[in-house]
Amino acid sequence: DVKVTQSSRYLVKRTGEKVFLECVQDMDHENMFWYRQDPGLGLRLIYFSYDVKMKEKGDIPEGYSVSREKKERFSLILESASTNQTSMYLCASSLSGREAGELFFGEGSRLTVL
Amino acid sequence: GQNIDQPTEMTATEGAIVQINCTYQTSGFNGLFWYQQHAGEAPTFLSYNVLDGLEEKGRFSSFLSRSKGYSYLLLKELQMKDSASYLCAVRDGNYQLIWGAGTKLIIKP
Repeated sequence: DVKVTQSSRYLVKRTGEKVFLECVQDMDHENMFWYRQDPGLGLRLIYFSYDVKMKEKGDIPEGYSVSREKKERFSLILESASTNQTSMYLCASSLSGREAGELFFGEGSRLTVL
Repeated sequence: GQNIDQPTEMTATEGAIVQINCTYQTSGFNGLFWYQQHAGEAPTFLSYNVLDGLEEKGRFSSFLSRSKGYSYLLLKELQMKDSASYLCAVRDGNYQLIWGAGTKLIIKP
């Protein structure tokens, strides 16, 4: 069974803390993505990666950074968490190519910043 | 700007049929996706349309009209487990996915 696994389902952090969200996929996919999902809004792309050590900014990269040292792992980093980063974070992966098919999503990490 | 519109919430009865609409305005078009997301779970892929017409997959069908910027997801013989949010996403001319806010479907017995 193909799988995208996110390290933490629920996190509570304080303002200013550094936050790591990890995502691992076992499908040998080249493409990996980080989205945030907020009520009433569509999924918003934070960063994506088409290959190891590659990263591209999405629509809302401010306040976030990413790391992809291995093909199967894509990490999202909040250097200094703020309350407006309270959200559901979804990791996804897909096959390579611009016309890559469906995205496979992890179950999400719900982050609360106090 | 680019925009995807879908109803916020719909209610239907178990055993009935429901149609969830999605209209889009994007810079170019390279396909439209529908995903299902149960509360607290990951979105899962339902369908993909890139050409006009109807794609049928069991109880679910998806329709696309590129000239009208319109798609719908048709769910037949509704079951309680179909209660979920349904997300419409369009791949634009730059091959980026633009997402709608999702439609929450409530199924009543």
